[in-house]
Amino acid sequence: ETGVTQTPRHLVMGMTNKKSLKCEQHLGHNAMYWYKQSAKKPLELMFVYSLEERVENNSVPSRFSPECPNSSHLFLHLHTLQPEDSALYLCASSQGRRLSSYEQYFGPGTRLTVT
Amino acid sequence: RKEVEQDPGPFNVPEGATVAFNCTYSNSASQSFFWYRQDCRKEPKLLMSVYSSGNEDGRFTAQLNRASQYISLLIRDSKLSDSATYLCVVTNYGGATNKLIFGTGTLLAVQP
Repeated sequence: ETGVTQTPRHLVMGMTNKKSLKCEQHLGHNAMYWYKQSAKKPLELMFVYSLEERVENNSVPSRFSPECPNSSHLFLHLHTLQPEDSALYLCASSQGRRLSSYEQYFGPGTRLTVT
Repeated sequence: RKEVEQDPGPFNVPEGATVAFNCTYSNSASQSFFWYRQDCRKEPKLLMSVYSSGNEDGRFTAQLNRASQYISLLIRDSKLSDSATYLCVVTNYGGATNKLIFGTGTLLAVQP
């Protein structure tokens, strides 16, 4: 499989549930990102990992917890979410230490609904 | 003021038309500029980078005006398949990483 994959593609969860989003990149990149895309809003950068080290945490609430076990995999652990967290969560990867100057490749996203 | 501002549209144009999108950014220190394309319910994909001298890729032309902090995208001879949301993206240097800052996007609908 090539590119950036994300699972699940759709997720409905209650506010008391715990779930995890998974992202895998098959491009040999060394940086991975989580973004949130809400309706009528621009993509919001949540977390950045470079060489498995978190280098950016964009004031994201602690109910979102990222994990990067290796350069190919990225997780977003979710717990006690709020309805306003319902959005499309996109994973991306890029090559190079100088992040964001290089093209980012996005996964298809997980559409999350919090009930 | 938003960091990256775009006209949300929608732009409804007939096939074959020429259409232009504009984008302004607030941080004069922004270094890199891109146009991404996002189809309905799909992920964003890089359309083209934007260089100071302007650049062209087939029917698409991107221009950058650093003095006015303004980026444009021109699409000539529009095709039905060009219908999508076009995202203006700038990068700002900061700390260990550079941030990609996205605009809200401009929706283009090409009509037959």
